[in-house]
Amino acid sequence: QSALTQPASVSGSPGQSITISCTGSSSDVGSYNYVSWYQQYPGEAPQLMIYDVSNRPSGVSNRFSGSKSGNTASLTVSGLQAEDEADYYCSSYTTSSTLVFGGGTKLTVL
Amino acid sequence: EVQLVESGGGFVQPGGSLRLSCAASGFMFSRYSMNWVRQAPGKGLEWISYITSSDTSGTITYYADSVKGRFTVSRDKIALYLQMNSLRDEDTAVYYCGRDIALGRVAAVDYWGQGTLVTVSS
Repeated sequence: QSALTQPASVSGSPGQSITISCTGSSSDVGSYNYVSWYQQYPGEAPQLMIYDVSNRPSGVSNRFSGSKSGNTASLTVSGLQAEDEADYYCSSYTTSSTLVFGGGTKLTVL
Repeated sequence: EVQLVESGGGFVQPGGSLRLSCAASGFMFSRYSMNWVRQAPGKGLEWISYITSSDTSGTITYYADSVKGRFTVSRDKIALYLQMNSLRDEDTAVYYCGRDIALGRVAAVDYWGQGTLVTVSS
């Protein structure tokens, strides 16, 4: 199972919006609405930010939103804040009943 | 409060074995499916294993191709385990256990442990 494709890095200024893409295939992202997004700070465990494409767990800011079109899912962070600077990973359920992660994207707040 | 605490990590030579444990508390552990996810130093996340809840008779397990046939996930009433055999250099990573948000299929990890480091080296 190949990893999902994410840009290595994205950046934005405080207050702006950024979007991170996550491209898979018809074997994963394209076949199910089971895409999730995680935020990870250095040295810490990941935190779930979005599940099932666009659902936010309790406690996650509504500045984080998710969407999907075809084989590509996206995470949008609006109203960028310094605390949003972290690594972001997408994941998807696959036709093999497994989970596959993206390679990760480093978000820099300028 | 949901808590997951991994243990059992350490240093092992290639070809060796190690058993990781993940102690769960703060929720009805038997009702939830569980995952193991690892992260090599400076690298991204890699899902490696999933086990269904133990509420119904029998559990179902799934593995990533990279560990299939070498790693075995299991659980009892209070903890999750990962038996790792035939370890390779590339298995060096922080290993996280995580609770799955869904029932019946691997979905998303909504609670994570702090991770335990496994180092495979001669």
